Amino acid sequence: EAQVTQNPRYLITVTGKKLTVTCSQNMNHEYMSWYRQDPGLGLRQIYYSMNVEVTDKGDVPEGYKVSRKEKRNFPLILESPSPNQTSLYFCASSRNGAGGREEQFFGPGTRLTVL
Amino acid sequence: EDQVTQSPEALRLQEGESSSLNCSYTVSGLRGLFWYRQDPGKGPEFLFTLYSAGEEKEKERLKATLTKKESFLHITAPKPEDSATYLCAVCGANSKLTFGKGITLSVRP
Repeated sequence: EAQVTQNPRYLITVTGKKLTVTCSQNMNHEYMSWYRQDPGLGLRQIYYSMNVEVTDKGDVPEGYKVSRKEKRNFPLILESPSPNQTSLYFCASSRNGAGGREEQFFGPGTRLTVL
Repeated sequence: EDQVTQSPEALRLQEGESSSLNCSYTVSGLRGLFWYRQDPGKGPEFLFTLYSAGEEKEKERLKATLTKKESFLHITAPKPEDSATYLCAVCGANSKLTFGKGITLSVRP
């Protein structure tokens, strides 16, 4: 089954404790992206990657890191989480590196709470 | 800066009562306008892409239309299972996707 998977689905952590949210897709997609979704603000892009070893900042990249060493994986790293990073996070992918021009397939989401 | 405004924020319909959801946008060089459906606790699910003014697409009870300033998602004879949040997004010349805040639709049986 074609899908985007994220782990963990739920995470409660404390301020300053480094964490990684994994994202994997099995569709051989070139483009991958991370979004956060907050009430009243909608979906906002954090980082995106047009292909292996190619990443760039989205609209809200502060406090986050990403890497793209393999085509299928695009982990999101929070080096020192803070309470304002409490949010619902989505990973998405699309077929080629055209970015937002194509339909994106979204993962199920990761609900992160930073105390 | 690309902007997307969706209205109304929430809409409650009786089963069978047709209506339309609005998406107004400003974008530099439209590369595509997208509609997604999002169920509670799940990721957005793709519905339609529209590329140029005058274009229309249909899927079951849903029909999406596009003008130079806005898009409409028409829902004909909705059923309770159509209850969800509907997201509109635009892709501009920079190939980035900008989302609206969504419209929460509730259809009562």
